[in-house]
Parts: sequence; C-alpha cells; structure tokens
Amino acid sequence: DQQVKQNSPSLSVQEGRISILNCDYTNSMFDYFLWYKKYPAEGPTFLISISSIKDKNEDGRFTVFLNKSAKHLSLHIVPSQPGDSAVYFCAALTSGTYKYIFGTGTRLKVLA
Amino acid sequence: DAGITQSPRHKVTETGTPVTLRCHQTENHRYMYWYRQDPGHGLRLIHYSYGVKDTDKGEVSDGYSVSRSKTEDFLLTLESATSSQTSVYFCATSETGNNREAFFGQGTRLTVV
Repeated sequence: DQQVKQNSPSLSVQEGRISILNCDYTNSMFDYFLWYKKYPAEGPTFLISISSIKDKNEDGRFTVFLNKSAKHLSLHIVPSQPGDSAVYFCAALTSGTYKYIFGTGTRLKVLA
Repeated sequence: DAGITQSPRHKVTETGTPVTLRCHQTENHRYMYWYRQDPGHGLRLIHYSYGVKDTDKGEVSDGYSVSRSKTEDFLLTLESATSSQTSVYFCATSETGNNREAFFGQGTRLTVV
C-alpha cells in the first residue's frame, strides 16, 4: 500500500508563475511532512517541512500547506525559476519511529 | 552539508553474487536509512537503523540485510543479487531536531546482469 501518494508524475510551468505540487497520505499517525528536491545524479536535498500541528510554513519562495482533515499537503513555489526544474518528493514521518516514507515524485519543468 | 559517503558509487555485478554497499557518516546522527529509487516508485525504504545494532525493516526489505556495528557505518547487503535489484540506492541519516530533516548521500548505481 502506498501511504504517501503524488498523483501527478509531471508538471510544466512558465517561468515567473506559481508551481503547485500536491501530495496525499493515508496514515493518520504521520506527524511531520517534508519536501525534497532531486536533481539527476544527485541525492535528494531538503526543501521545507511542516509539523502536523500547523497548516502553513513558509521559507522564501517555498510554502507548504497542510490540510489534515483531507490528508493532503501541497508545495507552492512562487515565482518559479528554471533552476527549480527537478523531481520533487514529499515525505511523511512518524516521530515515534523516525521512518521517512516518500511519495513517487513529481517532475517539475519550469519553462523559460 | 552532512558528511555522508556512499561506496561504491557505481557497481555492475552478476546475478546470484553477494553485494555490499557501504554508507559512512561523519555527523554522529542516530538514525540511518537505505532507500532505493526506481522509476514510477519514487524512494522506497529498504531498512533503517535507530542505533548501533538496532535495525528494522522498511517497505521493500526482502532480499536485503543490513548491519550497523558503529554509529558511523551502515552496510546494505544483497545476499544473492537479482536483476530486480538493479536500482539506485541512497543512504540517508537524521537526528532528532526541529525540522526533522534527513540528509542523503550521492547514491550508488547498481546494475545486476
């Protein structure tokens, strides 16, 4: 069973516009959520995280929104830049076990 | 950047042979992980460790074993490699903290022929 799902395998956005990446989860025990960015031939790098007690966290151009009742989170990138083109993974964590469960990823392409 | 080194970075091996991948960290992080990345599946957890000699299975642990005899080293062994284990393997580490960030190594590309 896929506990963390990213239903959009790919997304194309014009430079300067907003990119919205979505993620759904099924396990209500998850209490922390993270977004990672991955370039080809590199390891994933951390972008932003949010605790389940919050509904929004912002860091520069990146904002993560959490809707616990819908078991849904989203990452907003504003404005999008060509350097943002990468694969984005959402991850969920249960603090009791510290096991990170990742989604399948969304490939973002920002068009210049 | 967290000091995480994976070795080897690339390996080609034959079906049926044992293979060991090594992850070394210099951050003294408590938690260590092995993931595999495959098209359409994202990153899937193979095994993780929550301390020296303390390990637990992940989502796709069949055919893999791990060992952690020191805080800094986490070994992943494929007992008898199969073509379905051709993948890119990532090691990660984490420590309890405010943003729960996990740090990843550069990856090992394993091809089983």
